[in-house]
Amino acid sequence: AQTVTQSQPEMSVQEAETVTLSCTYDTSESDYYLFWYKQPPSRQMILVIRQEAYKQQNATENRFSVNFQKAAKSFSLKISDSQLGDAAMYFCAYRRGQAGTALIFGKGTTLSVSS
Amino acid sequence: NAGVTQTPKFQVLKTGQSMTLQCAQDMNHNSMYWYRQDPGMGLRLIYYSASEGTTDKGEVPNGYNVSRLNKREFSLRLESAAPSQTSVYFCASSELREWNNEQFFGPGTRLTVL
Repeated sequence: AQTVTQSQPEMSVQEAETVTLSCTYDTSESDYYLFWYKQPPSRQMILVIRQEAYKQQNATENRFSVNFQKAAKSFSLKISDSQLGDAAMYFCAYRRGQAGTALIFGKGTTLSVSS
Repeated sequence: NAGVTQTPKFQVLKTGQSMTLQCAQDMNHNSMYWYRQDPGMGLRLIYYSASEGTTDKGEVPNGYNVSRLNKREFSLRLESAAPSQTSVYFCASSELREWNNEQFFGPGTRLTVL
């Protein structure tokens, strides 16, 4: 069975600084996708970034980027130029390659941002 | 385009009561999911429906039933609520055919069972 592990229950960063959230996963499959979701206090789940396992290039979305290390089964999220609005719970998630399959989530990392 | 909607947003039940959580999506997605979120546990899959007419159990299905009423609607029923079912429930949907298959989430239902 696939598992997703987020080893940092809480992280903090100052405005304008950079922070990296860690995620590791375990799978025996070669075809899969990885995601980072943000959950602010409103509870709404918001997709931050996604990575296809077959792509070697790391995904980037504005201030958000990932470090995807397939052999090490590691998928970390880097937030650059942190803003107060980045404060939220962040979830790492895995999905098998087959369409219509569900996400497997890590337990989450709470990120706080101070001014 | 409302995306994924869930009703109710909040609910308090007594042990043994029953209720149905409603979910609807207007994105013409084939696949729909129910997750529960508990503190320190992330989101865990309860049931999912890969396409209209099919449903399958997820990681934590005990105490729940689901109905895929049509392509738009996917309901979750608690027949006899227990305090262990106190949680936040999320419905999600995705397109079956697209390679990236992003899941879109509803706003969640906070359920308390006394």
